[in-house]
Order: sequence, then C-alpha cells, then structure tokens
Amino acid sequence: SQTIHQWPATLVQPVGSPLSLECTVEGTSNPNLYWYRQAAGRGLQLLFYSVGIGQISSEVPQNLSASRPQDRQFILSSKKLLLSDSGFYLCAWSWTNHYGYTFGSGTRLTVV
Amino acid sequence: QKEVEQNSGPLSVPEGAIASLNCTYSDRGSQSFFWYRQYSGKSPELIMFIYSNGDKEDGRFTAQLNKASQYVSLLIRDSQPSDSATYLCAVTRMDSSYKLIFGSGTRLLVRP
Repeated sequence: SQTIHQWPATLVQPVGSPLSLECTVEGTSNPNLYWYRQAAGRGLQLLFYSVGIGQISSEVPQNLSASRPQDRQFILSSKKLLLSDSGFYLCAWSWTNHYGYTFGSGTRLTVV
Repeated sequence: QKEVEQNSGPLSVPEGAIASLNCTYSDRGSQSFFWYRQYSGKSPELIMFIYSNGDKEDGRFTAQLNKASQYVSLLIRDSQPSDSATYLCAVTRMDSSYKLIFGSGTRLLVRP
C-alpha cells in the first residue's frame, strides 16, 4: 500500500531563517505531488505541484520554492522566512486527481 | 468570486440528525468533486468523490452533484459526535487535470 511521510511535524523558526520541509511517498512510482498551505482558520492554498522529476509548477508568487530531486521526494524550501509564511503545510500525492489526493500528516510552521 | 464556496458555519446538529453540507463552484468545466474531512490540527482525509450528476452513497454519507447548478452537497445521516470536524469541498479545474481547488470548509458540530 501507499504511504506518504512528511516531516517535521512542528517547526518554530525565526524570521529570515531558511526552511526545508521534506515529503516522501512509498509504494508507488511517478506520483503527482503537491504542496498546500493552510493559514489558521482558512482553506487550502495550492503552492506547487509536480508531475515528474524536475518538473515543478508554481501556483502563486511567493517566498517559497519547491524541488523534486527524486521520483517520490518533494521538498519545500525558503531562503528567508517571513512572518506571513506561518501556517500548516501539507504535502499530498495522487495518481490522477480523479481519485483525489492523499495528504501527509502536515507540518505546522510558526515563524517568530 | 471564489472558485469554490462553502458556508464557514458552524453547522450545529443534534446527534442522530442529518447534516447537510453545501458547496458551489465557479468553473463550469470542473469534472471531479471531492469531500474531505479535517479534524482540528490534523490533515484532511478523503471521504467521498463524485463525477456524475445525481447521488452517490457510501454508508452514512451521500454526495450529491448538480452540474447545471454548479452545486455539490454532502449529507451525513445519523450524525455522531465523532463527525464533528471541518468538511472541505474540492473540485478540479478545467484547465488542468492535476489540481484540486479547495473551499475554505464548513465546520460541523454534532451535539450529544
């Protein structure tokens, strides 16, 4: 069966510090991968998605970037965090979206 | 206009009642529709998906789709306190089969 791992679960970082969040999927190959952010009390905002190694599409201009160095690995990064980057970051995978996404357990990021 | 709109709630129903959650979407070309449940502090989990007009039943859950009215709903029969959560509606975009667009969610409270 397929599983998705996301870490760390919580993170407190100072403004201006770098960020690296990692997500890996097991039990499947060539998944579609996604990064979402959920601000407190808000809906899910799609940040990046990838349909293959090295292929990254960005949904919104922002302080973040994503990379997919391996088939089942998706990384979200920032060189300098802003207070507005605080939120709940969720990685998800799918084969096609006809079956919806499966989400990882999420990373709660607080920028202080 | 938001792409996917939901009433934020909270929707409060007594235990054993039917909870009705509604969602409207703006992209007339949307093909696939999903309902996710999100407990506080947790990641969303897929509970229903529907592609065709009409009803789809799974246990206590029924999803209803009306593409002409651009309307999706979720009915929860015999509501239980454990159903208390935020319910997210998600739809695909016509311009891409890879992306799900989420509503901001409806908070459901089931009173014992």
